[in-house]
Amino acid sequence: GAGVSQSPRYKVAKRGQDVALRCDPISGHVSLFWYQQALGQGPEFLTYFQNEAQLDKSGLPSDRFFAERPEGSVSTLKIQRTQQEDSAVYLCASSFQGDTEAFFGQGTRLTVV
Amino acid sequence: AQSVTQLGSHVSVSEGALVLLRCNYSSSVPPYLFWYVQYPNQGLQLLLKYTTGATLVKGINGFEAEFKKSETSFHLTKPSAHMSDAAEYFCAVSANPISGYSTLTFGKGTMLLVSP
Repeated sequence: GAGVSQSPRYKVAKRGQDVALRCDPISGHVSLFWYQQALGQGPEFLTYFQNEAQLDKSGLPSDRFFAERPEGSVSTLKIQRTQQEDSAVYLCASSFQGDTEAFFGQGTRLTVV
Repeated sequence: AQSVTQLGSHVSVSEGALVLLRCNYSSSVPPYLFWYVQYPNQGLQLLLKYTTGATLVKGINGFEAEFKKSETSFHLTKPSAHMSDAAEYFCAVSANPISGYSTLTFGKGTMLLVSP
């Protein structure tokens, strides 16, 4: 596609509910990153994929967060048993290689009520 | 470890005035430095980046930034503000990707307000 596409754009979840956020990277991009942007803050790194391999998950805040990219293209970020502190914009970025310019999607705004 | 400090959560300028957004970084290795712009309900768009070489880098929309190692700074400037520049700006740092990839560490952002 022309850019990184994320869906849904907005998600409201009740506390305790599981959610799944989708990212479609730019076609051919090997690298995929997830970032979390809390209100009034800059984005913070969550996890990194090279093709289907999750090479870095050091930023995932708890074991309730899980990400996958099974075929090396589309990625899903799953949050189990959502908490209010999970409310944030989740940004996905992809790049041709891990050290080249990353292109960001519009993000998914998650609100946990 | 790396960190970024952006001075001023909000900066207000008049249309046609100089824009100066400040960014200081901390890095234990030679840094790569970036400025991103974020419009409401949009993702991040890269304005410019410094990796190696010339310390004055020019980006899109008339913005430029200068890497000053002695001051650990990477301030963003534009000679004349336009109404369309109103947005949030993020400075970011990453390490030289010897591991084959690099993650970005962002500042908290500066909201640029432009008045007529």
